[in-house]
Amino acid sequence: AQTVTQSQPEMSVQEAETVTLSCTYDTSESDYYLFWYKQPPSRQMILVIRQEAYKQQNATENRFSVNFQKAAKSFSLKISDSQLGDAAMYFCAYRSAIYGGATNKLIFGTGTLLAVQP
Amino acid sequence: DTEVTQTPKHLVMGMTNKKSLKCEQHMGHRAMYWYKQKAKKPPELMFVYSYEKLSINESVPSRFSPECPNSSLLNLHLHALQPEDSALYLCASSQLGLATDTQYFGPGTRLTVL
Repeated sequence: AQTVTQSQPEMSVQEAETVTLSCTYDTSESDYYLFWYKQPPSRQMILVIRQEAYKQQNATENRFSVNFQKAAKSFSLKISDSQLGDAAMYFCAYRSAIYGGATNKLIFGTGTLLAVQP
Repeated sequence: DTEVTQTPKHLVMGMTNKKSLKCEQHMGHRAMYWYKQKAKKPPELMFVYSYEKLSINESVPSRFSPECPNSSLLNLHLHALQPEDSALYLCASSQLGLATDTQYFGPGTRLTVL
């Protein structure tokens, strides 16, 4: 079974600085998708970024980028120029690329609570 | 537009009440999901509907009853709940397929069972 591990329960960053959130996963599959979701105190889960395992290029979305190391099964999220609105719980998630049935499931890590200091 | 809406935002109910949560999406997605989330924990999958048919039930107690009347709507009927069922209930939807099967979440319903 696949597992996702986020080893940093809480992190803090100064406004305008850069922070990296860690995520590791375990799988025997060769094709899969990885996601970072953000859940602010307003509680809506928002997709931050997605990475396809077959792509070597790291995904980027504005100030958010990932460092995807497939061999190491590592998928970290870098937030550049941190803003107060980035304060949230961040969840790393895995989904199998095999289509259908139980493989629609997202497997979540335990989350990292990010605080942004003014 | 990646909007999933949920009503109500907050719900307080007694253990003998019957209530329903509603979820709606107009993105043409053919998969819809119910999750339960406790504070500072990741969401736990409850049910998945694919093409309006229940495809996954994660051994959820029968006091939770899902319903998918059409491809845009998903309901969760609640009856005889317990205080430990108090949580944030999240709905999500996705396109189905491989590259596009990303789940988009609604804002959730905060449920309190007295």
